[in-house]
Amino acid sequence: EVQLLESGGGVVQPGGSLRLSCEASRFSFSSYAMSWVRQAPGKVPEWVSVISVGGSKTYYTDSVKGRFTISIDKPKNTLFLQMHSLRAEDTAVYYCAKIGDPGWYFDLWGRGTLVTVSS
Amino acid sequence: EIVLTQSPGTLSLSPGERATLSCRASQSVSRSYLAWYQQKPGQAPRLLIYDASNRATGIPDRFSGSGSGTDFTLTISRLEPEDFAVYYCQQYDNSPQSFGPGTKVDIK
Repeated sequence: EVQLLESGGGVVQPGGSLRLSCEASRFSFSSYAMSWVRQAPGKVPEWVSVISVGGSKTYYTDSVKGRFTISIDKPKNTLFLQMHSLRAEDTAVYYCAKIGDPGWYFDLWGRGTLVTVSS
Repeated sequence: EIVLTQSPGTLSLSPGERATLSCRASQSVSRSYLAWYQQKPGQAPRLLIYDASNRATGIPDRFSGSGSGTDFTLTISRLEPEDFAVYYCQQYDNSPQSFGPGTKVDIK
């Protein structure tokens, strides 16, 4: 079964950093564009970042530009989201999601990992 | 930026009934780049429909999507107990892509 599994969430103080990971089972990240989508408690999902097929291009929602970095380790088939300068409003469940083709819909989601930014 | 509105906010129905959910865009979604997702409590969203009317892999045929331009509809022909959930539409025609506020389908 094709699956995505996130890890790395936790509680961090405002201004702190965290790195999220996403491992894939039974498919290769090299063949698909991938994304991070977050959902604050009781809120609507929000796209955070996308990395293109092969990893040559990256895209970010305005609120995380300059603070978050998406990347892929191809040999390890792992997707990352490095987060710096975290704010309370970054508190959310972060999902790793596979991008559809050709549009940016999300056709496979992981279970998510909770990030809580609090002092 | 395209803003999506969904109606109704909550739909109270009984198993076996037909559910009709609406998603309206603030401007035309060209190429029908609109998707529908189902989300149950404590779970990730699940893709149901993409490109306005294409069912995702493994989605039962009681789910159907239609529409174009600014008006889109998700129809569940006969509600099963597992269909009671929140449904979101998402446009991916225009950057930034965006989700609607959701429609909750609950048991009457």
